[in-house]
Amino acid sequence: GENVEQHPSTLSVQEGDSAVIKCTYSDSASNYFPWYKQELGKRPQLIIDIRSNVGEKKDQRIAVTLNKTAKHFSLHITETQPEDSAVYFCAAAIQGAQKLVFGQGTRLTINP
Amino acid sequence: GAVVSQHPSWVICKSGTSVKIECRSLDFQATTMFWYRQFPKQSLMLMATSNEGSKATYEQGVEKDKFLINHASLTLSTLTVTSAHPEDSSFYICSAPSGRAPNEQFFGPGTRLTVL
Repeated sequence: GENVEQHPSTLSVQEGDSAVIKCTYSDSASNYFPWYKQELGKRPQLIIDIRSNVGEKKDQRIAVTLNKTAKHFSLHITETQPEDSAVYFCAAAIQGAQKLVFGQGTRLTINP
Repeated sequence: GAVVSQHPSWVICKSGTSVKIECRSLDFQATTMFWYRQFPKQSLMLMATSNEGSKATYEQGVEKDKFLINHASLTLSTLTVTSAHPEDSSFYICSAPSGRAPNEQFFGPGTRLTVL
């Protein structure tokens, strides 16, 4: 079955700098890759997703890139703000199968 | 947008008792819902897929007799943790496909279960 590896497990950056979180997946059939932000004790919130027919997607300060050949996708947050501090999870799924397999999570801390 | 609710938001119970957690899709119908368990500082692990009108599909290693799932309507799935023990203490989260796009899921707010 699918296996998703996420790095780093913790990331600390200065406010205003960029943050990058990387994930790799094992199943070449996976074609949906969402990223979730989870604050302590709350539900995961979808912040951006990408499908395998595109290589990059942007939404304001957030972008995701996908390299299907390498089975690798990354989350980029620019101009980080204190409210970006949270745990971020990547996930992968095969379209139609609906099941999401999550990465281990990255605890992002933005230092003022 | 699609809203998923869970009840209760937290529960404390004694070891050996059973606890039922409800997951509702508030403004859309969901023939499928997913149940996850999340231990502190860990990721979400899929426990089972709840299917309206049929049996749930459990992931490998999840005891179906301990975690009973019922999906009796298009807006409600329930997870019952039977004979709960302290090691079952966790954050239980459900999700449902949004219906807006393939694979997109919306998550419930989660239920914090503490077994004494």
